[in-house]
Amino acid sequence: QQPVQSPQAVILREGEDAVINCSSSKALYSVHWYRQKHGEAPVFLMILLKGGEQKGHEKISASFNEKKQQSSLYLTASQLSYSGTYFCGTNSGYALNFGKGTSLLVTP
Amino acid sequence: KAGVTQTPRYLIKTRGQQVTLSCSPISGHRSVSWYQQTPGQGLQFLFEYFSETQRNKGNFPGRFSGRQFSNSRSEMNVSTLELGDSALYLCASSLGTAEAYGYTFGSGTRLTVV
Repeated sequence: QQPVQSPQAVILREGEDAVINCSSSKALYSVHWYRQKHGEAPVFLMILLKGGEQKGHEKISASFNEKKQQSSLYLTASQLSYSGTYFCGTNSGYALNFGKGTSLLVTP
Repeated sequence: KAGVTQTPRYLIKTRGQQVTLSCSPISGHRSVSWYQQTPGQGLQFLFEYFSETQRNKGNFPGRFSGRQFSNSRSEMNVSTLELGDSALYLCASSLGTAEAYGYTFGSGTRLTVV
């Protein structure tokens, strides 16, 4: 089953914060986050495993609530380079099911 | 180290034809997955191979098939192409299971069916 992402699209000014949510109807072992810039391949951001540990790098972090089967991606003090489409991926057998993506545009 | 290499980058085919796409994973990665990406549906899982065995398959018709060779390179084939098969086809490699290690994606093959 495909995870559900919200919102579908976000427009921010540089320096503002954003939260992207991902929820699943089934129990999760892990949640993955990827970013895809226009015309490029999706790039891995981070994996969150069962345990609710918040991970991150630079000003992008994420949390995983396995009981609620939800994950959230936090973008703090957004930069122009954060623009792109963000996908969450959830475990499905030996592969990942991805949400339809959240389009993020950061403007000057 | 070299990333995931997909060939060709662009392809134009006519309805009814068949097509073969190729993917070379990162050296040492034995798992290769294929995804179809379209604007309306996002990333749709096609299949996953590990050590030449298909371990998982998505909900696509039998016209979509794939295989993996002993050197981990993978190919996917689409027979009797339809207009709706026009999409970006992405290959992703993983060290082990994607759920534990995540993916490295290739740049994709843009298939246009006319």
